[in-house]
Amino acid sequence: EVQLAESGGGLVKPGESLRLSCEGSGFTFGTTWMSWVRQAPGKGLEWLGRAKSRIDGWATEYAAPVKGRFTISRDDSKNTLYLHMSSLKAEDTAMYYCTTEGWRAYYFDSWGQGALVTVSS
Amino acid sequence: QSALTQPASVSGSPGQSVTVSCSGGSSDIGSYNLVSWYQQYPGKVPKLIIYEVAKRPSGVSDRFSGSKTGNTASLTISGLQAVDEADYYCCSYADDTTPMVFGGGTKLTVL
Repeated sequence: EVQLAESGGGLVKPGESLRLSCEGSGFTFGTTWMSWVRQAPGKGLEWLGRAKSRIDGWATEYAAPVKGRFTISRDDSKNTLYLHMSSLKAEDTAMYYCTTEGWRAYYFDSWGQGALVTVSS
Repeated sequence: QSALTQPASVSGSPGQSVTVSCSGGSSDIGSYNLVSWYQQYPGKVPKLIIYEVAKRPSGVSDRFSGSKTGNTASLTISGLQAVDEADYYCCSYADDTTPMVFGGGTKLTVL
């Protein structure tokens, strides 16, 4: 059974940085593309970016609104995906989900329970 | 503003069929068969129900079906049941500055 466990969420002040982690199990992490998706309170889903697998050079892609401010990385030896967020704003307040994409799947087949990030002074 | 356009809400009575539309453009839905749909109950994690326009993951009811015409994708739910009351989101690959785009979501109410 695929399991994804996010951690690292919490309350931060505007302008601060935060790193979320997502540990995966029950699947071959190293060959799986991984994405981050967020959902602001009462709002819809927003794709943030993905980390491709080794065969694709561990390339990363980002949504235009967060490119340059958010960085996605992965450590296949630890089955862990990361999301480093900098210069956080109030509008970054959201539930952050880690998802699997299979390999070149372009859909999100498994989701973690999410990590809540609140940006407030 | 979402890149894909969905109606804010749709409704139907038990047993009826409802269709949720998802409108995009030539750089996303119109050019790629990479549309997926997600069901989300309040306070819960989204669940994949359709991928690659019309394929259903194992375990998803065959009452859910997907299709695409031009720049618009559709999710049809037949034989509506109370358990189908949820939010539904479409998503597509996009040959653009943001490679994956979601619709704004549609709230389905079962009357």
